[in-house]
Amino acid sequence: NAGVTQTPKFQVLKTGQSMTLQCAQDMNHEYMSWYRQDPGMGLRLIHYSVGAGITDQGEVPNGYNVSRSTTEDFPLRLLSAAPSQTSVYFCASSLTDSKGVKLFFGSGTQLSVL
Amino acid sequence: KQEVTQIPAALSVPEGENLVLNCSFTDSAIYNLQWFRQDPGKGLTSLLLIQSSQREQTSGRLNASLDKSSGRSTLYIAASQPGDSATYLCAACRGGNEKLTFGTGTRLTIIP
Repeated sequence: NAGVTQTPKFQVLKTGQSMTLQCAQDMNHEYMSWYRQDPGMGLRLIHYSVGAGITDQGEVPNGYNVSRSTTEDFPLRLLSAAPSQTSVYFCASSLTDSKGVKLFFGSGTQLSVL
Repeated sequence: KQEVTQIPAALSVPEGENLVLNCSFTDSAIYNLQWFRQDPGKGLTSLLLIQSSQREQTSGRLNASLDKSSGRSTLYIAASQPGDSATYLCAACRGGNEKLTFGTGTRLTIIP
């Protein structure tokens, strides 16, 4: 199992450009989510999905779009990049069992918006 | 709104010592609390998960405790090693909706 795979690992954008961060998981998890990590802020939830065709907003959704056409893939789209979106982005999938929720994270995408 | 705090932000400890990392949360109505490890440039790896009905969980040299009434969790690392150097984050899960609130982490350095 590859787990959760994110691409690209690094990206530099100019203000106003658009791009898509890719996320794929091979564990057949229904729940997937996107977080951003900023210094001193911890990880904050951007969007999440409880299954194919279902998405919802997290804590900081503005400026981002998501879709979930398959169980495996959960791309994050920046429509018009802004310097405030400079951050490290993590995708996660999760499994819920009798012990609770366990998250599996990708290795992250470091994004710089100039 | 749940707030999760980890103090100190950074900690340096000589190799071989036992240490405790702290995590505080404001809303005691949690489903579970998790501890993660993050190495530089990498994603987060789940270390321990404590259900709300439990008081502690152990894995090897790691022991996590949970006191919901006081809004605190601790991660105890025994006989620290240089390989334990990393950032440790805690996260509180409220309800069964799988949305976690993360602390800002404690950056741990084990000095050989």
